[in-house]
Amino acid sequence: DGGITQSPKYLFRKEGQNVTLSCEQNLNHDAMYWYRQDPGQGLRLIYYSQIVNDFQKGDIAEGYSVSREKKESFPLTVTSAQKNPTAFYLCATEGYTGELFFGEGSRLTVL
Amino acid sequence: SQKIEQNSEALNIQEGKTATLTCNYTNYSPAYLQWYRQDPGRGPVFLLLIRENEKEKRKERLKVTFDTTLKQSLFHITASQPADSATYLCALEWGFTSGTYKYIFGTGTRLKVLA
Repeated sequence: DGGITQSPKYLFRKEGQNVTLSCEQNLNHDAMYWYRQDPGQGLRLIYYSQIVNDFQKGDIAEGYSVSREKKESFPLTVTSAQKNPTAFYLCATEGYTGELFFGEGSRLTVL
Repeated sequence: SQKIEQNSEALNIQEGKTATLTCNYTNYSPAYLQWYRQDPGRGPVFLLLIRENEKEKRKERLKVTFDTTLKQSLFHITASQPADSATYLCALEWGFTSGTYKYIFGTGTRLKVLA
């Protein structure tokens, strides 16, 4: 199936730990995005990438890091520097006419 | 900075009626605006995209309008069904940096269609 795969779907983190969320796509899209969604708030952009080995900070990049070593993969690391990491994380790619394709999301909870 | 406003209150309508959701933005008009559907615990799903030079776009029971004078988009679902119950998000492109568009999303409006 074509699409975007995010894993894990649920993740628990202890304070002080780094965790990495996986995002893989087989749509052959260049641009990829990471968003964070909190209750009552719109999706907020964390990082985005247009091409391999290049990425840009979004509006709330502090405490997060990304890499884009392959076109298909755009993992997000939530570091211990992120003070309030509990949220629903969404990965997306951009289609050829501007629409975004989202994965099913990863829900991170800090214990 | 650009801001999007969607009615944060839930919208309840009777099955068969037309649901109308509103998306207002505050600053410059984007080149295009999009609507997404999101079910609980799932990722958003793209529905429709409308460009600034288009007044109206239709897809089956869905219709989107885009008024750059009012800085508003309306999203209509005709002959609504309980299966249409979901949260609907408005998104607009905001800036073009390093060859990539950034998108800003509204908080979404939760629609509930009553049988």
